[in-house]
Amino acid sequence: GQSLEQPSEVTAVEGAIVQMNCTYQTSGFYGLSWYQQHDGGAPTFLSYNALDGLEETGRFSSFLSRSDSYGYLLLQELQMKDSASYFCAVQDQKVTFGTGTKLQVIP
Amino acid sequence: SQTIHQWPATLVQPVGSPLSLECTVEGTSNPNLYWYRQAAGRGLQLLFYSVGIGQISSEVPQNLSASRPQDRQFILSSKKLLLSDSGFYLCAWSVAGTNEKLFFGSGTQLSVL
Repeated sequence: GQSLEQPSEVTAVEGAIVQMNCTYQTSGFYGLSWYQQHDGGAPTFLSYNALDGLEETGRFSSFLSRSDSYGYLLLQELQMKDSASYFCAVQDQKVTFGTGTKLQVIP
Repeated sequence: SQTIHQWPATLVQPVGSPLSLECTVEGTSNPNLYWYRQAAGRGLQLLFYSVGIGQISSEVPQNLSASRPQDRQFILSSKKLLLSDSGFYLCAWSVAGTNEKLFFGSGTQLSVL
């Protein structure tokens, strides 16, 4: 089966950088994705890593280490609108989501 | 462009009543389709996924069933709802043969009373 763990909450200051971690245990693995979900809304795709290393998309970066079964999402130049829940998800034949990290950005 | 439609947005149903939630995708062929459920403040639990018409994989033994009668139509059903079926139900699709990027519908908030 699949198991993904994320910190439940994190608070960061506007303009700062925040890192949200994800560790996983899986029976199969193609890659790791990240999604953002605002309260009451649907998740939206942020980034995907199939290979080890860093992927950058604007203010968002995602990192994967397959040997450590570990990844993280890095948000730079935090804005108030970044306050949301962030989920990692593992792909094999299906897509399994982590428990999510609720990010609160404060002034 | 591709779009996903999910309805209704909210639903209040009594215990023991039936359920039917529908999801349709436009602008793509043979998508992978998914049903997830999310309890308040929690993560997404995979309920069912489908890689083609009539092909349904169930992830969690439960009071629900899914069907895919057409290529771009995915239906979630129950014959008799339980209180524990309450939650936020999300339909999603991905491009055939890949699943690194899911596109979600707007969700259905189901309250079973």
